[in-house]
Amino acid sequence: GAGVSQSPSNKVTEKGKDVELRCDPISGHTALYWYRQRLGQGLEFLIYFQGNSAPDKSGLPSDRFSAERTGESVSTLTIQRTQQEDSAVYLCASSLVYRDNEQFFGPGTRLTVL
Amino acid sequence: DAKTTQPNSMESNEEEPVHLPCNHSTISGTDYIHWYRQLPSQGPEYVIHGLTSNVNNRMASLAIAEDRKSSTLILHRATLRDAAVYYCILRDSGGSNYKLTFGKGTLLTVNP
Repeated sequence: GAGVSQSPSNKVTEKGKDVELRCDPISGHTALYWYRQRLGQGLEFLIYFQGNSAPDKSGLPSDRFSAERTGESVSTLTIQRTQQEDSAVYLCASSLVYRDNEQFFGPGTRLTVL
Repeated sequence: DAKTTQPNSMESNEEEPVHLPCNHSTISGTDYIHWYRQLPSQGPEYVIHGLTSNVNNRMASLAIAEDRKSSTLILHRATLRDAAVYYCILRDSGGSNYKLTFGKGTLLTVNP
């Protein structure tokens, strides 16, 4: 079946602009996660959704970052007033249930802030 | 969080076995050992996990030391497609274990 998809695959924006990154999880997966991966670095947790609610937003770096999930499906990560340090690959993952052994990752969105 | 230590890089030849080590000397009794890998320009991919006993699946084998302070991911016959960064992580059986936190992992190069 279809895996996790993310769009756009690449986004170049100017400092100060807002961006929206989209994630389509695997159908039927109740848990959805956003991560950030800076160049040459490991994975950094941002936020987790169980259904449409976000029990854990502890990884969001600042109030410029927000995320929502609708219909227990699509999720959007929004970054307002982007800064150069926001440049990274933003990865979305989903799992059948929270704490599932396996998280399925999308290909990521590469964000470049000029 | 319990930490893991992996070599920065390893090299192998195609069709030979590869043993990727991971040290986790501060592992707790409720920590599972998970391995993910990340191929170039792709998202991470689950490989295998275990608690105490050795584990096998279609992708790899996981050998866990008796004291659980180290483990080894074994690829029985490396292919060019196995060239990736391999991450060894510990996940507690409870709490906020849904947060995957990767370090820098081991970059595996497979030579034809």
